[in-house]
Amino acid sequence: SSELTQDPAVSVALGQTVRITCQGDSLRSYYASWYQQKPGQAPVLVIYGKNNRPSGIPDRFSGSSSGNTASLTITGAQAEDEADYYCNSRDSSGNHPYVFGTGTKVTVL
Amino acid sequence: EVQLVETGGGLIQPGGSLRLSCAASGFTVSSNYMSWVRQAPGKGLEWVSVIYSGGSTYYADSVKGRFTISRDNSKNTLYLQMNSLRAEDTAVYYCARGYSGYDFDAFDIWGQGTMVTVSS
Repeated sequence: SSELTQDPAVSVALGQTVRITCQGDSLRSYYASWYQQKPGQAPVLVIYGKNNRPSGIPDRFSGSSSGNTASLTITGAQAEDEADYYCNSRDSSGNHPYVFGTGTKVTVL
Repeated sequence: EVQLVETGGGLIQPGGSLRLSCAASGFTVSSNYMSWVRQAPGKGLEWVSVIYSGGSTYYADSVKGRFTISRDNSKNTLYLQMNSLRAEDTAVYYCARGYSGYDFDAFDIWGQGTMVTVSS
């Protein structure tokens, strides 16, 4: 199956901008979706499709894509944005429908 | 309110069986595609299985032949029958509603998760 690779951890100063990337062959054909997961909680969808936010997600979250890389950008990071973030897309290998990224821990300093 | 509530987790011995349930409210399970996603302790998310509105099912290689996804339309509930459980199946199991477009998929509604521990 395809893999989606993310950096294990990134840090950002309060109020600054951080970009989280997700690399994989399937991203050449499909947009990634992004999920935020805080300790002990279920994942929450924050970005889907080209750059769409579900209702209730702040507009400081945005998505983009180029080639085999998808990115989630948090512009003006807040303390409450500290969490694990996972990307997800269809699996272009055809063996399985879906695949999740390895996850990125975002620390807000 | 759109909601998913999982039940059925617990402690089970290796080789045993368990059935997880995911009760939906606020939408119709059979009109959407639904998945199970799991997360081992301290690890990332792993997609496990999907059932489409037409009834087609797919599984991750790690569970193929041992797990079965199904739904009961009358109860608006999704299930995951887990047989021949192994220690490596220990995880929080989430059910999630799928939402798709031409060039994307997303899981827009998640349950709170149910813990499955496989241990002797």
